[in-house]
Amino acid sequence: KAGVTQTPRYLIKTRGQQVTLSCSPISGHRSVSWYQQTPGQGLQFLFEYFSETQRNKGNFPGRFSGRQFSNSRSEMNVSTLELGDSALYLCASSLFYNPSQETQYFGPGTRLLVL
Amino acid sequence: DAKTTQPNSMESNEEEPVHLPCNHSTISGTDYIHWYRQLPSQGPEYVIHGLTSNVNNRMASLAIAEDRKSSTLILHRATLRDAAVYYCILRKGAQKLVFGQGTRLTINP
Repeated sequence: KAGVTQTPRYLIKTRGQQVTLSCSPISGHRSVSWYQQTPGQGLQFLFEYFSETQRNKGNFPGRFSGRQFSNSRSEMNVSTLELGDSALYLCASSLFYNPSQETQYFGPGTRLLVL
Repeated sequence: DAKTTQPNSMESNEEEPVHLPCNHSTISGTDYIHWYRQLPSQGPEYVIHGLTSNVNNRMASLAIAEDRKSSTLILHRATLRDAAVYYCILRKGAQKLVFGQGTRLTINP
């Protein structure tokens, strides 16, 4: 079974631009979560989607948004990029039948550099 | 969100057991205890989880204190490949996963 895939793997943008990152979950998984990882703040939860609906949201500004499609694939968008948005963006998928006990499977991440 | 506390770093030798502690004094009765680890340049990977009883799998063992206010991840024979950041996380229902700073484990050959 293929794992979680994220595209692109690396991205360089300039301040003020916007970016869209893509995540394809493991086949059969219906939930997708997004995380931002930086050396200073560690791993921080962005949002979680299930059945095309946002179920949980972290403490990030409205510039960060996401969506999930009917095939469970997900995209996240960051508008008006700032230098501080440089980070590793990780996507994780899970079944979401019994969340408290389920394993989240992480992708390799997209490394975003904002200049 | 219930909080966990872990040492910033630990060091051990190859082929020796490693005990990684986690304190979660505000844990509620329905919080599951999850452990993930992140190897260098990779996304986190699941290690083990439990509720009340000790748990074993092919990767590790999880020992949960009787009052559930603490737990210990046990790697029975550490290898160099076990060098990673280990995260102890509590999860209740469909609440979001909150990762702390984790414990950076160094394995000496």
